[in-house]
Amino acid sequence: QKEVEQNSGPLSVPEGAIASLNCTYSDRGSQSFFWYRQYSGKSPELIMSIYSNGDKEDGRFTAQLNKASQYVSLLIRDSQPSDSATYLCADTGGSYIPTFGRGTSLIVHP
Amino acid sequence: SAVISQKPSRDICQRGTSLTIQCQVDSQVTMMFWYRQQPGQSLTLIATANQGSEATYESGFVIDKFPISRPNLTFSTLTVSNMSPEDSSIYLCSVVESYEQYFGPGTRLTVT
Repeated sequence: QKEVEQNSGPLSVPEGAIASLNCTYSDRGSQSFFWYRQYSGKSPELIMSIYSNGDKEDGRFTAQLNKASQYVSLLIRDSQPSDSATYLCADTGGSYIPTFGRGTSLIVHP
Repeated sequence: SAVISQKPSRDICQRGTSLTIQCQVDSQVTMMFWYRQQPGQSLTLIATANQGSEATYESGFVIDKFPISRPNLTFSTLTVSNMSPEDSSIYLCSVVESYEQYFGPGTRLTVT
Protein backbone atom coordinates (compact mmCIF):
# COMPACT_ATOMS: atom_id res chain seq x y z
CA GLN A 1 0.00 0.00 0.00
CA LYS A 2 1.32 3.39 -1.00
CA GLU A 3 2.14 5.69 1.88
CA VAL A 4 2.90 9.37 2.10
CA GLU A 5 4.38 10.58 5.35
CA GLN A 6 4.39 14.10 6.70
CA ASN A 7 5.24 15.53 10.07
CA SER A 8 1.95 16.80 11.48
CA GLY A 9 3.65 19.76 13.16
CA PRO A 10 2.79 22.42 13.95
CA LEU A 11 5.72 24.07 12.27
CA SER A 12 6.04 27.57 13.63
CA VAL A 13 8.11 30.20 11.81
CA PRO A 14 8.38 33.96 12.18
CA GLU A 15 7.03 36.25 9.53
CA GLY A 16 9.56 36.75 6.73
CA ALA A 17 11.35 33.46 7.33
CA ILE A 18 11.56 30.43 5.04
CA ALA A 19 9.16 27.64 5.92
CA SER A 20 10.32 24.18 4.90
CA LEU A 21 7.74 21.41 4.64
CA ASN A 22 8.79 17.84 3.97
CA CYS A 23 7.15 14.69 2.71
CA THR A 24 8.39 11.15 2.06
CA TYR A 25 6.71 8.55 -0.09
CA SER A 26 6.89 4.78 -0.29
CA ASP A 27 6.23 4.04 -3.98
CA ARG A 28 9.54 4.17 -5.79
CA GLY A 29 7.70 4.22 -9.11
CA SER A 30 5.78 7.42 -8.34
CA GLN A 31 6.15 10.12 -10.96
CA SER A 32 4.06 13.08 -9.92
CA PHE A 33 3.57 14.95 -6.71
CA PHE A 34 1.38 17.77 -5.55
CA TRP A 35 1.25 20.22 -2.70
CA TYR A 36 -2.10 21.48 -1.45
CA ARG A 37 -2.85 24.21 1.03
CA GLN A 38 -5.89 23.84 3.24
CA TYR A 39 -7.14 26.63 5.42
CA SER A 40 -9.21 25.64 8.43
CA GLY A 41 -12.77 24.88 7.37
CA LYS A 42 -11.94 25.10 3.67
CA SER A 43 -11.21 22.56 0.95
CA PRO A 44 -7.68 21.82 -0.30
CA GLU A 45 -6.27 24.20 -2.89
CA LEU A 46 -3.60 23.03 -5.34
CA ILE A 47 -0.51 25.22 -5.10
CA MET A 48 2.30 23.25 -6.76
CA SER A 49 2.90 20.17 -8.83
CA ILE A 50 6.28 18.59 -9.56
CA TYR A 51 7.19 15.74 -11.85
CA SER A 52 10.96 15.89 -12.32
CA ASN A 53 13.92 15.70 -10.00
CA GLY A 54 15.12 19.07 -8.87
CA ASP A 55 13.46 22.34 -8.04
CA LYS A 56 10.38 24.05 -9.39
CA GLU A 57 9.70 27.65 -8.44
CA ASP A 58 6.43 29.57 -8.51
CA GLY A 59 6.51 32.94 -6.84
CA ARG A 60 7.36 32.48 -3.17
CA PHE A 61 6.95 28.71 -3.42
CA THR A 62 9.61 26.19 -4.42
CA ALA A 63 8.88 22.49 -4.68
CA GLN A 64 11.82 20.09 -4.55
CA LEU A 65 11.78 16.45 -5.62
CA ASN A 66 14.44 13.86 -4.94
CA LYS A 67 13.37 10.52 -6.36
CA ALA A 68 16.49 8.68 -5.20
CA SER A 69 15.69 9.57 -1.59
CA GLN A 70 11.92 9.49 -2.13
CA TYR A 71 11.19 12.85 -0.65
CA VAL A 72 9.39 15.97 -1.72
CA SER A 73 9.62 19.32 -0.04
CA LEU A 74 7.94 22.69 -0.25
CA LEU A 75 9.76 25.89 0.63
CA ILE A 76 7.84 29.06 1.29
CA ARG A 77 10.00 32.16 1.19
CA ASP A 78 9.12 35.37 3.00
CA SER A 79 6.42 33.57 4.97
CA GLN A 80 3.33 35.60 5.80
CA PRO A 81 0.68 35.06 8.47
CA SER A 82 -1.72 34.37 5.59
CA ASP A 83 0.38 31.28 4.79
CA SER A 84 -0.74 29.71 8.07
CA ALA A 85 -2.60 26.60 7.00
CA THR A 86 -2.24 22.84 6.70
CA TYR A 87 -0.13 21.71 3.76
CA LEU A 88 -0.93 18.36 2.20
CA CYS A 89 1.51 16.38 0.10
CA ALA A 90 0.04 14.01 -2.48
CA ASP A 91 1.56 11.27 -4.61
CA THR A 92 -0.33 10.00 -7.64
CA GLY A 93 1.98 7.01 -8.05
CA GLY A 94 1.44 6.89 -11.79
CA SER A 95 -2.36 6.90 -11.61
CA TYR A 96 -4.77 9.80 -11.44
CA ILE A 97 -5.78 8.95 -7.90
CA PRO A 98 -3.39 10.47 -5.38
CA THR A 99 -2.49 9.27 -1.95
CA PHE A 100 -2.49 12.14 0.51
CA GLY A 101 -0.32 12.63 3.55
CA ARG A 102 -1.88 13.69 6.82
CA GLY A 103 -0.68 17.23 6.33
CA THR A 104 1.67 19.59 8.17
CA SER A 105 0.22 22.50 10.08
CA LEU A 106 2.17 25.71 9.47
CA ILE A 107 1.89 28.70 11.76
CA VAL A 108 3.51 31.96 10.70
CA HIS A 109 3.63 34.36 13.61
CA PRO A 110 4.11 38.12 13.26
CA SER B 1 -8.95 25.12 -13.61
CA ALA B 2 -12.39 23.56 -13.24
CA VAL B 3 -14.89 25.38 -11.06
CA ILE B 4 -16.70 22.97 -8.75
CA SER B 5 -19.78 23.67 -6.68
CA GLN B 6 -21.42 21.51 -4.05
CA LYS B 7 -24.83 21.58 -2.45
CA PRO B 8 -25.61 21.73 0.39
CA SER B 9 -22.62 23.47 1.96
CA ARG B 10 -23.60 22.11 5.35
CA ASP B 11 -26.39 20.20 7.00
CA ILE B 12 -27.38 18.78 10.35
CA CYS B 13 -29.18 15.47 10.05
CA GLN B 14 -30.76 13.00 12.39
CA ARG B 15 -29.48 9.50 12.90
CA GLY B 16 -31.02 7.01 10.49
CA THR B 17 -31.82 9.48 7.74
CA SER B 18 -30.09 9.99 4.37
CA LEU B 19 -28.54 13.01 2.72
CA THR B 20 -27.74 13.51 -0.95
CA ILE B 21 -24.87 15.81 -1.84
CA GLN B 22 -24.67 17.30 -5.31
CA CYS B 23 -21.52 18.19 -7.21
CA GLN B 24 -21.56 20.35 -10.34
CA VAL B 25 -18.53 21.13 -12.52
CA ASP B 26 -18.38 23.93 -15.08
CA SER B 27 -16.70 21.75 -17.69
CA GLN B 28 -16.84 18.15 -18.80
CA VAL B 29 -14.45 15.97 -16.85
CA THR B 30 -13.75 12.29 -17.14
CA MET B 31 -12.60 11.63 -13.61
CA MET B 32 -14.66 12.65 -10.60
CA PHE B 33 -14.11 11.52 -7.05
CA TRP B 34 -15.73 11.69 -3.64
CA TYR B 35 -13.64 12.13 -0.51
CA ARG B 36 -14.32 12.30 3.19
CA GLN B 37 -12.30 14.33 5.64
CA GLN B 38 -12.95 13.81 9.31
CA PRO B 39 -11.90 16.45 11.84
CA GLY B 40 -8.14 16.76 12.07
CA GLN B 41 -7.61 13.99 9.53
CA SER B 42 -6.40 13.84 5.98
CA LEU B 43 -8.48 13.01 2.94
CA THR B 44 -9.97 9.55 2.51
CA LEU B 45 -11.14 8.52 -0.94
CA ILE B 46 -14.63 7.05 -0.87
CA ALA B 47 -15.11 6.23 -4.54
CA THR B 48 -14.49 7.16 -8.13
CA ALA B 49 -17.68 8.24 -9.86
CA ASN B 50 -17.77 6.74 -13.34
CA GLN B 51 -20.00 8.23 -16.00
CA GLY B 52 -22.48 5.68 -17.29
CA SER B 53 -21.43 2.87 -14.97
CA GLU B 54 -21.29 1.98 -11.30
CA ALA B 55 -18.89 3.82 -9.06
CA THR B 56 -15.64 2.19 -7.98
CA TYR B 57 -15.49 2.05 -4.18
CA GLU B 58 -12.40 2.00 -1.99
CA SER B 59 -11.88 -0.53 0.73
CA GLY B 60 -14.19 0.13 3.65
CA PHE B 61 -16.87 1.89 1.61
CA VAL B 62 -19.89 0.14 0.10
CA ILE B 63 -22.54 1.11 -2.38
CA ASP B 64 -25.43 0.48 0.00
CA LYS B 65 -24.06 3.07 2.40
CA PHE B 66 -22.72 5.57 -0.15
CA PRO B 67 -24.65 5.27 -3.41
CA ILE B 68 -23.24 7.48 -6.14
CA SER B 69 -24.74 8.68 -9.39
CA ARG B 70 -22.90 10.16 -12.36
CA PRO B 71 -25.46 10.84 -15.07
CA ASN B 72 -23.16 12.99 -17.21
CA LEU B 73 -19.65 14.46 -17.37
CA THR B 74 -20.46 17.55 -15.29
CA PHE B 75 -22.58 16.25 -12.42
CA SER B 76 -22.51 13.65 -9.66
CA THR B 77 -24.30 12.94 -6.41
CA LEU B 78 -23.22 11.13 -3.28
CA THR B 79 -25.82 9.87 -0.82
CA VAL B 80 -24.91 9.12 2.77
CA SER B 81 -27.48 6.54 3.84
CA ASN B 82 -28.79 5.48 7.24
CA MET B 83 -26.54 8.01 8.91
CA SER B 84 -24.89 7.64 12.28
CA PRO B 85 -22.83 10.16 14.25
CA GLU B 86 -19.69 8.49 12.86
CA ASP B 87 -20.65 9.86 9.43
CA SER B 88 -20.17 13.41 10.66
CA SER B 89 -17.48 14.72 8.36
CA ILE B 90 -16.72 16.98 5.45
CA TYR B 91 -17.52 15.41 2.10
CA LEU B 92 -15.58 16.68 -0.88
CA CYS B 93 -16.15 16.30 -4.57
CA SER B 94 -13.01 16.35 -6.71
CA VAL B 95 -12.12 16.27 -10.39
CA VAL B 96 -8.98 15.74 -12.41
CA GLU B 97 -8.27 18.19 -15.19
CA SER B 98 -5.02 18.24 -17.15
CA TYR B 99 -3.56 15.66 -14.74
CA GLU B 100 -4.17 17.92 -11.73
CA GLN B 101 -6.80 17.38 -9.07
CA TYR B 102 -9.16 20.07 -7.85
CA PHE B 103 -11.64 20.06 -5.01
CA GLY B 104 -15.08 21.48 -4.47
CA PRO B 105 -15.82 23.61 -1.41
CA GLY B 106 -17.10 20.63 0.57
CA THR B 107 -20.26 19.70 2.45
CA ARG B 108 -20.03 19.76 6.23
CA LEU B 109 -22.30 17.08 7.64
CA THR B 110 -23.22 16.75 11.29
CA VAL B 111 -25.28 13.76 12.38
CA THR B 112 -27.06 13.99 15.71
